[in-house]
Amino acid sequence: QVQLQESGPGLVKPSQTLSLTCTVSGGSITSDSYYWSWIWQPAGKGLEWIGRIYASGSTTYNPSLHSRVSISVDTSKNQFSLRLSSLTAADTAIYYCARDLGRAHFDYWGQGTLVTVSS
Amino acid sequence: QSALTQPASVSGSPGQSITISCTGTSSDVGTYNYVSWYQQHPGKAPKIMIYDVSDRPSGVSNRFSGSKSGNTASLTISGLQAEDEADYYCSSYTSSSTLFVFGTGTKVTVL
Repeated sequence: QVQLQESGPGLVKPSQTLSLTCTVSGGSITSDSYYWSWIWQPAGKGLEWIGRIYASGSTTYNPSLHSRVSISVDTSKNQFSLRLSSLTAADTAIYYCARDLGRAHFDYWGQGTLVTVSS
Repeated sequence: QSALTQPASVSGSPGQSITISCTGTSSDVGTYNYVSWYQQHPGKAPKIMIYDVSDRPSGVSNRFSGSKSGNTASLTISGLQAEDEADYYCSSYTSSSTLFVFGTGTKVTVL
């Protein structure tokens, strides 16, 4: 059974950079059948796709965040990571990592991690 | 790329059937058969219920079904049960640079 687990700080200050890591267990992140995505959900609001990475390191980002976001992969640790810079209060949200089959089909999700941007 | 449009809320009595609509454009729902539906209980991660418009993952009840007509996709829940009370989101592949777009979300209430 594939499991994903997000980790990172729960509180970050405005203007700083957020770093989150998603650890994948029960399956290899190098499988050529999957992408690995980050999705966020501001408090009380809907879901929005942030971006994704393939095991090769190829990335695609949501243009609305493109200038501030970076996703990387560490195949040796079976992990992928999100960096989001120039944080504001609007970036306060639950951040999810998910396995992405490439057709708006996210079949496994992490439990989500709440990140609050506040001084 | 705007979010797909869903009704804010839908309700029904136990045993009834309800349908949630998801309206997009010719850039997403209308062109691609890549529409998924997710169920999210409070404080929980989303769970996929339908993918590729009408396919059900293993383990998902056959009370959940999906369809599409033109720019609108639909999720039908038949034999409504108390455990179906949750938020539901549709998602579609899009030809825009956004790649994927989610719906605005629908709160399902079992009366």
